[in-house]
Amino acid sequence: RKEVEQDPGPFNVPEGATVAFNCTYSNSASQSFFWYRQDCRKEPKLLMSVYSSGNEDGRFTAQLNRASQYISLLIRDSKLSDSATYLCVVNRGFKTIFGAGTRLFVKA
Amino acid sequence: GAVVSQHPSWVICKSGTSVKIECRSLDFQATTMFWYRQFPKQSLMLMATSNEGSKATYEQGVEKDKFLINHASLTLSTLTVTSAHPEDSSFYICSARESTEASEKLFFGSGTQLSVL
Repeated sequence: RKEVEQDPGPFNVPEGATVAFNCTYSNSASQSFFWYRQDCRKEPKLLMSVYSSGNEDGRFTAQLNRASQYISLLIRDSKLSDSATYLCVVNRGFKTIFGAGTRLFVKA
Repeated sequence: GAVVSQHPSWVICKSGTSVKIECRSLDFQATTMFWYRQFPKQSLMLMATSNEGSKATYEQGVEKDKFLINHASLTLSTLTVTSAHPEDSSFYICSARESTEASEKLFFGSGTQLSVL
């Protein structure tokens, strides 16, 4: 079993839809959590950090449940430009562990 | 924000040659940098952790004699793919961790697409 697991996708949604991604991590010693976005053949870019209290950045909302070892990302009012792969990322000590990513396609 | 520069962006080389990829943190010091490999439609796979002034730590299954890592300064790490073969063709990305009192973030280089003929 992988240390960080994500919905495999792909998610195909129309513009304006709300879409949710899930992620689970297996090591309870994990300390910090992030969502990154990666476009094809580009480097991942930090989308947002994830906190237990939940945090929101515009159309994006991230949640962390430490008890369930579960992380989520909600995208509201999807735009064509949101099409990308979303990576769930976990820091544990000096290690950074990436989920396999969930591909999102937003269509007109 | 912090910037990590990776060079070159793409390389095409003949089988058997060696290729060096550079990763620089431009506006912060990075005692630790990371090297990843990504095959098409797959996630990033950590190859090794590069520590300034000491030997790199390689992940299981990564040949340290084939993928030479040097982290000679706080702003530069290099990955050399020695005697490259077609199966080494991949997208290689570096990252550097910026640690402050408030947060710890990972910044990525723009990646190097290596094609070995």
